[in-house]
Amino acid sequence: DTGVSQDPRHKITKRGQNVTFRCDPISEHNRLYWYRQTLGQGPEFLTYFQNEAQLEKSRLLSDRFSAERPKGSFSTLEIQRTEQGDSAMYLCASSRDRVKPGELFFGEGSRLTVL
Amino acid sequence: QQPVQSPQAVILREGEDAVINCSSSKALYSVHWYRQKHGEAPVFLMILLKGGEQKGHEKISASFNEKKQQSSLYLTASQLSYSGTYFCGTEGAGNNRKLIWGLGTSLAVNP
Repeated sequence: DTGVSQDPRHKITKRGQNVTFRCDPISEHNRLYWYRQTLGQGPEFLTYFQNEAQLEKSRLLSDRFSAERPKGSFSTLEIQRTEQGDSAMYLCASSRDRVKPGELFFGEGSRLTVL
Repeated sequence: QQPVQSPQAVILREGEDAVINCSSSKALYSVHWYRQKHGEAPVFLMILLKGGEQKGHEKISASFNEKKQQSSLYLTASQLSYSGTYFCGTEGAGNNRKLIWGLGTSLAVNP
């Protein structure tokens, strides 16, 4: 399978715990995006990378959220001291952009439930 | 600024046509259209670029009015497989590849 893979697919945690999600993009895709989606809503931008550089982080995110993409390959999204409001589907997408934008390939998502 | 999609929901019978609209209050470089089925990841349909270039499926058409900052997705002769939620994502004139997504349009195609 050469698509975008995310792990874990489901995570149930207690409030206050830390969680980490991993995303493996399609090989050679230079752009990687993290989105959060709740029921009935569109994907909400969290952050994105071009290779290993984090270009922007949403102002909506508190300092509890951090993302990395070491060596420009896989990426991790960590949420510290989780709150019930963090419950959502976390989507990762990658694209191969050059001069013009390319299509995004989404992973299946990591569903977080905070109890 | 989040783009506004209309209508919020559409119910069709197989074979009917539908138009989904997406409008932004800001100048746009590109508009992207994706379809998401329940419990699945969004799937690419179309990219429309400022200047008229398009990239997407042959069976799906769309338009992009740069002056009005609007895009429309045309679904003709709908099939049952067209059911799902359609999202437009807009990229601002800064060409920074950051997409802001609308709330989606739910489409149900019935036999």
